[in-house]
Amino acid sequence: ELVLTQSPATLSLSPGERATLSCRASLSISNYLAWYQQKPGQAPRLLIYDASNRATGVPARFSGSGSGTDFTLTISSLEPEDFAVYYCQQRSNWPTFGQGTRLEIK
Amino acid sequence: QVQLVQSGSELKKPGASVKVSCKASGYTFTTYAMNWVRQAPGQGLEWMGWINTNTGNPTYAQGFTGRFVFSLDTSVSTAYLQISSLKAEDTAVYYCARCPVEGGLLKWYFDYWGQGTLVTVSS
Repeated sequence: ELVLTQSPATLSLSPGERATLSCRASLSISNYLAWYQQKPGQAPRLLIYDASNRATGVPARFSGSGSGTDFTLTISSLEPEDFAVYYCQQRSNWPTFGQGTRLEIK
Repeated sequence: QVQLVQSGSELKKPGASVKVSCKASGYTFTTYAMNWVRQAPGQGLEWMGWINTNTGNPTYAQGFTGRFVFSLDTSVSTAYLQISSLKAEDTAVYYCARCPVEGGLLKWYFDYWGQGTLVTVSS
């Protein structure tokens, strides 16, 4: 079974800092990876699809990279509204999600 | 603009059934697949399966066979999730989520989501 492992579980940073979130797949998934942002009480929001393509309306400070088994979501300069939980999701097989990274204000 | 609007929260007793609706607007309903995703309290996201909005054919993920049924009413651009014989562990927020289709193949990411429906199962 393909497993996605996100790290770190929690990331504490300040506004203006750069955030780097990792997602590792247990098998190669080519570039079949998406990233979502979820704020408390809200539905997830698609940020990145196919590893590096920003979804409609997503600010340019969000970028995705990687292929195969190792993927990264980078937020270049954190805004207050970016503090949330982030999930990666693979589509190489049936869709599965990582366990999430909580990005919190330091 | 694209919207997926789900029905409101439900409180059910164990053994009862529930039907959650997801009404789509702002796009042609049958040109995108509809998926269902579960999120238990304080937990992550779990894909439940999808329904082909052209044919009505459902596909269920492992762990979501038997008590879970996906259906459609294309005349009102609405997808439904019905859960029977409810258990306490079914307590969760259930999301519908749209999946783009390109060349007849699902892109397998979810570009629009409903706001979620909390189903609470408690005696």
